[in-house]
Formats: sequence, C-alpha cells, structure tokens
Amino acid sequence: RKEVEQDPGPFNVPEGATVAFNCTYSNSASQSFFWYRQDCRKEPKLLMSVYSSGNEDGRFTAQLNRASQYISLLIRDSKLSDSATYLCVVEHSGYSTLTFGKGTMLLVSP
Amino acid sequence: SQTIHQWPATLVQPVGSPLSLECTVEGTSNPNLYWYRQAAGRGLQLLFYSVGIGQISSEVPQNLSASRPQDRQFILSSKKLLLSDSGFYLCAWSVGQGQGSPLHFGNGTRLTVT
Repeated sequence: RKEVEQDPGPFNVPEGATVAFNCTYSNSASQSFFWYRQDCRKEPKLLMSVYSSGNEDGRFTAQLNRASQYISLLIRDSKLSDSATYLCVVEHSGYSTLTFGKGTMLLVSP
Repeated sequence: SQTIHQWPATLVQPVGSPLSLECTVEGTSNPNLYWYRQAAGRGLQLLFYSVGIGQISSEVPQNLSASRPQDRQFILSSKKLLLSDSGFYLCAWSVGQGQGSPLHFGNGTRLTVT
C-alpha cells in the first residue's frame, strides 16, 4: 500500500459544483495531516490543516477518519480559480518530514 | 513574518556540469529545512532535510548532496548532473522542534539538464 494515495484525476466540474477529494494513508501512527494546493508550474501552498474533529474554512471542509486512515476535502460552490492540483499530505510519524500524495487535478469550467 | 527565498528560478545545464541551488529563510530561527524534487507529471519526492546546522538527512541515494552552512541557509549541490536530475526543485521550511508542522515552500527552481 502506498504511503499516501489519492483519487486519480483530473476532475472536471462546472462552476458552482461541489467536489470531494479523497485520500488514504498507510501509517496508522501518523498524527498530522494537511491539504495543499499547487497551481501549474508553481510551488505547493498550504490550503488547510486537517483536525480530528473536522474543520471548515469558507467553502472548504476537511475531515479525518483515523479508523479508516482516510482524509477528505470538500469544496463547495466551485470557482474557476479553484482549478489546481490538490495534494494530500501526511506526517511521516516519528520524523520531521511530510509525505505528499501525487495530487488530484481539478478543472473548473464556466 | 517569515519568508523563504530560492534561486535561480530557472536553470538549463548540460550533462556532467555542477549544480548549486541556494535557499534562505528569514524571520525565524532554527527552522527545519527541506529539499524536494518534482519530476514532470510526478509527485513530490523528499531529497534532504535538516533539523540544524550541519545536520543533513538524505532520503534518496543519488548524485546530489545538501549542506547547511548557516542556520537559515540550505544548499543543494551536484558535482556532475545527469539527465534524470531534470525537474522542479523546491526548498521548504517548517517550525523547528514542531513535529507535524506544515511546510512552507519557496518559489522553486526549474532545472533542465540537456
């Protein structure tokens, strides 16, 4: 099982749609989780951390299921500017490093 | 506030030539520093990380090396580049002593080895 696995993409959605990204991780001892966004040919940027109780930031909602080792990101009311690749990131337990999933590309069309 | 600077932004180098990429962080002390590489169409691969001056951990055996001569300076080097070294190189920092802290990336260096 890969350390961090994400839905293959790309996801093509119309403006205003709700889209969900899923991610699974293999190390049950991992404690910290994040979603990053990467625009084409740019560096990844932190979108949000993922907390055990779930957390929301505007149109974005992140959830964590430790029992299933599963993380999700929900984007409501998609905007054209949401088009990017979304990376699931998991702490490499016991080390000062993070492991990145390969990412899922989102294309929001008018 | 903290900032991270990485240069150059773009680099074209012939096979067998040396490489030196530099990264500096401002506005924080004793950060963890990282070098990642992203090959075309692939995920981010951790190359090196450092939790302090002179402390370098290598994740992937290869012809690259890293050094941390100062607290907030991280350098990626190679004596002889290979075609397979082409990619998008990203420097990043996180809070030292804070396991599970998010990474903050520099703008990246796009390296093409010809």
